[in-house]
Amino acid sequence: QKEVEQNSGPLSVPEGAIASLNCTYSDRGSQSFFWYRQYSGKSPELIMFIYSNGDKEDGRFTAQLNKASQYVSLLIRDSQPSDSATYLCAVSPQGSNYKLTFGKGTLLTVNP
Amino acid sequence: EAGVTQFPSHSVIEKGQTVTLRCDPISGHDNLYWYRRVMGKEIKFLLHFVKESKQDESGMPNNRFLAERTGGTYSTLKVQPAELEDSGVYFCASSRMDSNNDEQFFGPGTRLTVL
Repeated sequence: QKEVEQNSGPLSVPEGAIASLNCTYSDRGSQSFFWYRQYSGKSPELIMFIYSNGDKEDGRFTAQLNKASQYVSLLIRDSQPSDSATYLCAVSPQGSNYKLTFGKGTLLTVNP
Repeated sequence: EAGVTQFPSHSVIEKGQTVTLRCDPISGHDNLYWYRRVMGKEIKFLLHFVKESKQDESGMPNNRFLAERTGGTYSTLKVQPAELEDSGVYFCASSRMDSNNDEQFFGPGTRLTVL
């Protein structure tokens, strides 16, 4: 059973701080890695994807991938109350770029 | 560009009844996926259509679930007969056929409650 593990949280950070969200996966052959944000009662929204080892930055968001450690993270700089949501880590297993395996998600709360 | 839409948003049925969920993908998206999240669990893959063809239905729980995508546009997911453990949120997602990053756009989900 291919798994994706995330701390369920809640993770609470003050406004303006850096929020760090972590994810590990079991399928060493996984190819693609995604971070989705989901507000309560809404659809998951893709905010970052990463394919190669290292860092990828997009605005206040940075995704980090370490395939050797089977670890992917998401950093949110200058956290805002509007960032409060559940963050879902998703992985495409080896040989299957279309099927996403999700973690349970981490609930992030940014306090004003 | 309109997003992925799903109907109904909520459905409450009794055990043994039949329910049909509908998904309208983003126009031009050939890939269509169904996922499900039961309470306390992660979102899990059910199946994947490429146009009207089932590419992978390995995540379908059992033969009480039937998905169709006639004409390669909208898709339906029928549960017949529904059981208590079928309760959860059913998400539909779509993506372009030529997407290099396979960005899947999700719909708002249908919350199914089986009593």
